[in-house]
Amino acid sequence: SYELTQPPSVSVSPGQTATITCSADALSNQYTYWFQQKPGQAPVLVISKDYERPSGVPERFSGSSSGATATLTISGVRAEDEADYYCQTADRSGRFQIRFGGGTSLTVL
Amino acid sequence: QVTLRESGPALVQRTQTLTLTCTFSGFSLSTNGMCVSWIRQPPGKALEWLARIDWDGETYYRTSLKASLTISRGTSTNQVVLTVTSVEPVDTGTYYCARMCGYGEDSGRFWGPGTLVTVSS
Repeated sequence: SYELTQPPSVSVSPGQTATITCSADALSNQYTYWFQQKPGQAPVLVISKDYERPSGVPERFSGSSSGATATLTISGVRAEDEADYYCQTADRSGRFQIRFGGGTSLTVL
Repeated sequence: QVTLRESGPALVQRTQTLTLTCTFSGFSLSTNGMCVSWIRQPPGKALEWLARIDWDGETYYRTSLKASLTISRGTSTNQVVLTVTSVEPVDTGTYYCARMCGYGEDSGRFWGPGTLVTVSS
């Protein structure tokens, strides 16, 4: 069993790069998925399987994973990117579980 | 076009059983590799995965809530039902269903809009 740890908040100015991390002891064994959630809306998948960008997601969203940390990077941040972001993995080490991180609130200054 | 939609009571009394239905279209849960999950979100808090049902009927539950959750196929082939027994105010939140195995292609790509459930004390 493990937890996914995200920073509670990240703030950036428009046009800059936002980096959101997700870490866990066993992260290196599983793919990481990233979701964007705006107030009052359902989450939206922005990164699949560590770094794949679903169709329709802007190219400024990218993902990577190394060792125990996965990273969501938003380049050239826009005001519309202000949202909560959640990482997610599947824990298949024992009883199957889907785990979400605690979420990161991205503020565009 | 894949769509999902949650339905159920907006208000439930403490200690009662909550029954939610996910009605979906654009895919078949009988297709090899297909999964539907329920996820909830207490007000102002993080997403919390609850349960998953697979194309072959296999089910998985959040370990800490396993005793109070049941996920099953509905009366229609395009429905999945989640029951939560003995609800408490902490079970208040928005409940989502999603086409989500937790891994693999397209996992988490499609979600319902969510349904807000309030458990009154």
